[in-house]
Amino acid sequence: QQPVQSPQAVILREGEDAVINCSSSKALYSVHWYRQKHGEAPVFLMILLKGGEQKGHEKISASFNEKKQQSSLYLTASQLSYSGTYFCGTDQTGANNLFFGTGTRLTVIP
Amino acid sequence: SAVISQKPSRDICQRGTSLTIQCQVDSQVTMMFWYRQQPGQSLTLIATANQGSEATYESGFVIDKFPISRPNLTFSTLTVSNMSPEDSSIYLCSVGGGSHTGELFFGEGSRLTVL
Repeated sequence: QQPVQSPQAVILREGEDAVINCSSSKALYSVHWYRQKHGEAPVFLMILLKGGEQKGHEKISASFNEKKQQSSLYLTASQLSYSGTYFCGTDQTGANNLFFGTGTRLTVIP
Repeated sequence: SAVISQKPSRDICQRGTSLTIQCQVDSQVTMMFWYRQQPGQSLTLIATANQGSEATYESGFVIDKFPISRPNLTFSTLTVSNMSPEDSSIYLCSVGGGSHTGELFFGEGSRLTVL
């Protein structure tokens, strides 16, 4: 049931953009995005609900294709603070018990 | 937002022993979840801790190995029983109910090393 993310890792220079993809084999109620820095707990970024309602972070956007069971996270004008591992979390029922993706390690360099 | 305290933050245990991890939340929450994160890996859902009833376990996790208690709406424990080195991992408590619908808050995790 684990969603698959791509790419596995990406290195950006400050100011560059990135797209992280998340693909599930199951029908989804919602998709969450979290960022985890080394040695810290994951932090919520974004949630995309079935039907198109979206809530989340100001400087980061995302899309959710319910039919394809895919979501993408868009990071624009990256900052050093964007470095970390990004996980998508998928909710199949609305019960909020998330299955997290394989993760994407993002490194932003000056 | 919810503030979650986990204890212990880390421990080193001997094979065959058991360890109980505590999760305390600063507000009443309906949903509490336990995750495991092995070094460099993603988070794996162990179970949903239900208040007043047995926990709901995910595939690959059983109650005998990971008994969970949820005596009230602010507290839960996860016990890792009869530990082996394969149980070395970070165990995270998570709660739902943020201002963003469905947002999960995580505790800082309990890093367990089994020798």
